[in-house]
Amino acid sequence: ETGVTQTPRHLVMGMTNKKSLKCEQHLGHNAMYWYKQSAKKPLELMFVYSLEERVENNSVPSRFSPECPNSSHLFLHLHTLQPEDSALYLCASSQDIGGLPGANVLTFGAGSRLTVL
Amino acid sequence: AQSVAQPEDQVNVAEGNPLTVKCTYSVSGNPYLFWYVQYPNRGLQFLLKYITGDNLVKGSYGFEAEFNKSQTSFHLKKPSALVSDSALYFCAVRALTGANNLFFGTGTRLTVIP
Repeated sequence: ETGVTQTPRHLVMGMTNKKSLKCEQHLGHNAMYWYKQSAKKPLELMFVYSLEERVENNSVPSRFSPECPNSSHLFLHLHTLQPEDSALYLCASSQDIGGLPGANVLTFGAGSRLTVL
Repeated sequence: AQSVAQPEDQVNVAEGNPLTVKCTYSVSGNPYLFWYVQYPNRGLQFLLKYITGDNLVKGSYGFEAEFNKSQTSFHLKKPSALVSDSALYFCAVRALTGANNLFFGTGTRLTVIP
C-alpha cells in the first residue's frame, strides 16, 4: 500500500493478555516511529528509532515495549494494558536528514486498531 | 515548547469553492512545517512541507500552504474543492534543533459538499 505495512490491522485483547504489533517498511528508510492516535487528540509520539537505536521515549508506560531488530522492522510489545490504551497505533518511517528524526517526510502505515477490554 | 493549533475541528465547503484549513504553531527557532491528510481506514499521507525558501508551498492534489512567520501560521488552501478532498487534515511542526519530535495538531475534518 504505502511501503509501510502494519499487522494486525485490528486487535482485541484483554487486560491480562500479551500481544505484539508489527511494522515493516520497504523504503530503505533509517528511522522508524510509533504514534498513538486517539479521537480529538493530537497524534502522540511514543518511540523513535534512528539507525536501530532508540532516540526518543516520550514517557510511555512500561506496559508498551518497543523492539527494532533491524532498520526494516519495528515491533510494539503489549502487556497488561488498560482500556484507555484503546486507540489506533500508527507506525511510520523516514529517511533522516542530518540526524534529525522527524525533519523529513514521514511515510505512515495504515495503523493497527487496538481495543482493550 | 513546541505546539500546533488547528482551531477548527470541522470545516464544510461546497464543491468548487475555495477551501482553507487553519494552522498556527509555536516553536523555538526556525520551524519545519508539514501538512498530512488521512482518509478513512488509512494512515497519514504527506501533502506538503515548508523548510526554507518561498513562503508559498505547493503540494499534492492541488493543495498549497503559505508560511507566515509574523503570524506563526501555515494555513492549507485549495482554489477549488473536490468531494474527494473530504478527509482529516493534520498540521505538524518540528523545530530545526532540539527534541526529536514532530508535533501534530488535533486534526481538522474537511467535508466537501456536492
